[in-house]
Amino acid sequence: DTAVSQTPKYLVTQMGNDKSIKCEQNLGHDTMYWYKQDSKKFLKIMFSYNNKELIINETVPNRFSPKSPDKAHLNLHINSLELGDSAVYFCASSQDWLQETQYFGPGTRLLVL
Amino acid sequence: SQKIEQNSEALNIQEGKTATLTCNYTNYSPAYLQWYRQDPGRGPVFLLLIRENEKEKRKERLKVTFDTTLKQSLFHITASQPADSATYLCALPSVGSQGNLIFGKGTKLSVKP
Repeated sequence: DTAVSQTPKYLVTQMGNDKSIKCEQNLGHDTMYWYKQDSKKFLKIMFSYNNKELIINETVPNRFSPKSPDKAHLNLHINSLELGDSAVYFCASSQDWLQETQYFGPGTRLLVL
Repeated sequence: SQKIEQNSEALNIQEGKTATLTCNYTNYSPAYLQWYRQDPGRGPVFLLLIRENEKEKRKERLKVTFDTTLKQSLFHITASQPADSATYLCALPSVGSQGNLIFGKGTKLSVKP
């Protein structure tokens, strides 16, 4: 059973388009996250959600809008895609906001042309 | 602001030897430190967590030390195997929000047979 899953695995699109990445966790966790890993492999937090509520937005452009329809899902919508958005996006979850261990999804490789 | 440094971008060792990876941090006194493993094309996987009041922690062939005076953690893999080849990331809780993790850039370990 996949604990944290993301779709799609690969996403190739043109500059200016709008795209969404979906994330689901079946661990029963309360907290979910989005990370961006750039070409230099630096993994950086973007958003944290706890019980469907936004906790942290780490100075991410407002072209990025996360949405959590329920505790098990955290989707990421990106408007007006730019070349610099090309990266691998990871979803993660933890049992709750104070639990330290995070469980990561397989990543979505986004390439903006 | 807090900084995490993993001194070596890459480490090459011979099978059977002990691999030692270093994680240094500044401007911070974290309550704990974590190590994750990341394989190419995959998300990070949690390995070990060590708290500020713990000097050392072990799990099978893995050992982590935490020196809060030196502000340093060492990650050891004894009797290394080619299957241990991966990128190893250290992570600390964010100063501003304890539920968020700040990751180092990682050390890519290659174990040669």
